[in-house]
Amino acid sequence: KNEVEQSPQNLTAQEGEFITINCSYSVGISALHWLQQHPGGGIVSLFMLSSGKKKHGRLIATINIQEKHSSLHITASHPRDSAVYICAVREGSDKLIFGTGTRLQVFP
Amino acid sequence: AAGVIQSPRHLIKEKRETATLKCYPIPRHDTVYWYQQGPGQDPQFLISFYEKMQSDKGSIPDRFSAQQFSDYHSELNMSSLELGDSALYFCASSLRWGQGTDTQYFGPGTRLTVL
Repeated sequence: KNEVEQSPQNLTAQEGEFITINCSYSVGISALHWLQQHPGGGIVSLFMLSSGKKKHGRLIATINIQEKHSSLHITASHPRDSAVYICAVREGSDKLIFGTGTRLQVFP
Repeated sequence: AAGVIQSPRHLIKEKRETATLKCYPIPRHDTVYWYQQGPGQDPQFLISFYEKMQSDKGSIPDRFSAQQFSDYHSELNMSSLELGDSALYFCASSLRWGQGTDTQYFGPGTRLTVL
């Protein structure tokens, strides 16, 4: 069983839809990252969370430490949001443990 | 703002050759991480450095070595390359090792293809 699991693995949406990606982890963590990886391969850090909720533009990330669960929400989705979204946790040391990723496609 | 720079962006090598990947962290960042992402795989942590010293080690083969230099750039040296080494190699940098509050900023990656 992976230490970090995401759902769904694949997600298709119409432009404008509200999207939720979930991440569950089984280890104690000091922080959780949400990352975005585009088809070219580059990784962009979207959020780093250790508690509560963060918002940046149309993106919202929440974390529940007790339940070991985090969600990434995208409001008013757009085709340019199409990418792989990766949840990664920091356990103790600084290295990140990556989830399996959620491939999102948003159609016009 | 300056980002993490990796070079080369693409590299093609033959089996049993050697390769050197370079990473230049964001200015003033003191910690560098290396990750390997195989085709269709999650990124896997290889190794990290803080203030030029190895700080953590993951699933890095013995054929690979890395170091961080006085200017904080890092190099990943890969010898006796195998087909399975074909992957996207990411470098990330951060400031203030170990406090758990620093964000890792990722470079664009080096795509290594071993033929």
